Formats: sequence, structure tokens, C-alpha cells
Amino acid sequence: GAVVSQHPSRVICKSGTSVKIECRSLDFQATTMFWYRQFPKQSLMLMATSNEGSKATYEQGVEKDKFLINHASLTLSTLTVTSAHPEDSSFYICSARDSGQGAGNSPLHFGNGTRLTVT
Amino acid sequence: DAKTTQPPSMDCAEGRAANLPCNHSTISGNEYVYWYRQIHSQGPQYIIHGLKNNETNEMASLIITEDRKSSTLILPHATLRDTAVYYCIVRPHSGYSTLTFGKGTMLLVSP
Repeated sequence: GAVVSQHPSRVICKSGTSVKIECRSLDFQATTMFWYRQFPKQSLMLMATSNEGSKATYEQGVEKDKFLINHASLTLSTLTVTSAHPEDSSFYICSARDSGQGAGNSPLHFGNGTRLTVT
Repeated sequence: DAKTTQPPSMDCAEGRAANLPCNHSTISGNEYVYWYRQIHSQGPQYIIHGLKNNETNEMASLIITEDRKSSTLILPHATLRDTAVYYCIVRPHSGYSTLTFGKGTMLLVSP
């Protein structure tokens, strides 16, 4: 089945530093990937849609200058949390859809998430 | 995406069938019903999806009512590893839309 690999699985960083999270589709190509954030005991919230070769689309309330997204190839999207603060501590999850499948009703596949802790 | 309603939690004995209900009374004709689950501290895992016919795969069965206003996910023989939050999501067929997650149902499978 389609596999989405996310790295790192856990990261601890100091306040003010930047952290990069990678999301790779291992056995399929993805023109579009999605980044979610999940706080404890809450559901997943969409942060942004990452489009290969173009700018990401951010959801309302998500700062594009703080959460930099790069989708440079059909198998890799990165999310960089810049100048991280403790309130950015969260579980970040990416997902991707196989571009080779028919439009619409093919499922999204999710990575295993990255637990970010900012101290 | 259309809104769904799920019970916040359910219990199931190991080896028994787990039947997880979902109401989606405002579903549109071109929207599919998707089920995902999230085991603690992991990313969501795709289970099954359907439009109007019942569906079955190696993980579960999906029963959709004839009016499509509700559905039931069936895990035929629940195991302890099926303990997770189960999300029922409706998603348009056309386009490349994302998934909007609600609060889901926390299924606890006990010995």
C-alpha cells in the first residue's frame, strides 16, 4: 500500500530556533500534500495545502511566514517551523494522495507524525 | 465537507464485533463516506470508504443506509490493537480536497 514517511518522529528544540519536518511519499507521486497540526486531546486541524512547484495555500489563522512549506518534488514536502515558541509544541502530521490514481475518491495517506516540543 | 456526528466513545469486548455509527444527514450526492482511525501518537490510518453501496475489505465493513444519511463501520472481531479514535468523514468525489476531521469516536477494546 501507499506509504508516507515523516521525519523526524520526535524533535525537541529551544525557543527561537527553527525546525524542519520532512514528508515523503515512498511509492507514489503526490502533486499535493497536506499538513495538519494536532494539540493534545484535540482533533487534527488542517494548516496548509502544499502544491508541487508552487506556493502553499494556508488556512485562516496559520502564519505563512512562520510555517514555511516547500514542495520541491513530487515525493517530498517540507514544513519548517521558524523561530519556534513553546506554543508551537504540537503533533504535526502530513498526508498525501497518489496523483496516479483517479481524481477524487482515492484515499489520503498519512505519515506517522512529528512530535515537536519547544522548550 | 458535510458535517458528521459520532458518539464520543464506545466500548467493545475483545473478539466481539464493534459497530461504530455515524450520522451525515447533510451529505451531498457526490460525497463519499471515509473512515480513518488514529491510534495514540500515530498518524491517521485509512480504513475504508464508500459512496452508496456497502463495502468490505480486510480491515472492516462499511454499511451505508439507502438514504445515505448514516453509516456504520463494522470491525468483525475486535482486538486490543483496534483501540483507537475512529473518524467518519464525508468528502467530495470531484477535485482533490483534503479531509476535515471531527472529534471521532474513541473505541476502547477490552479483554
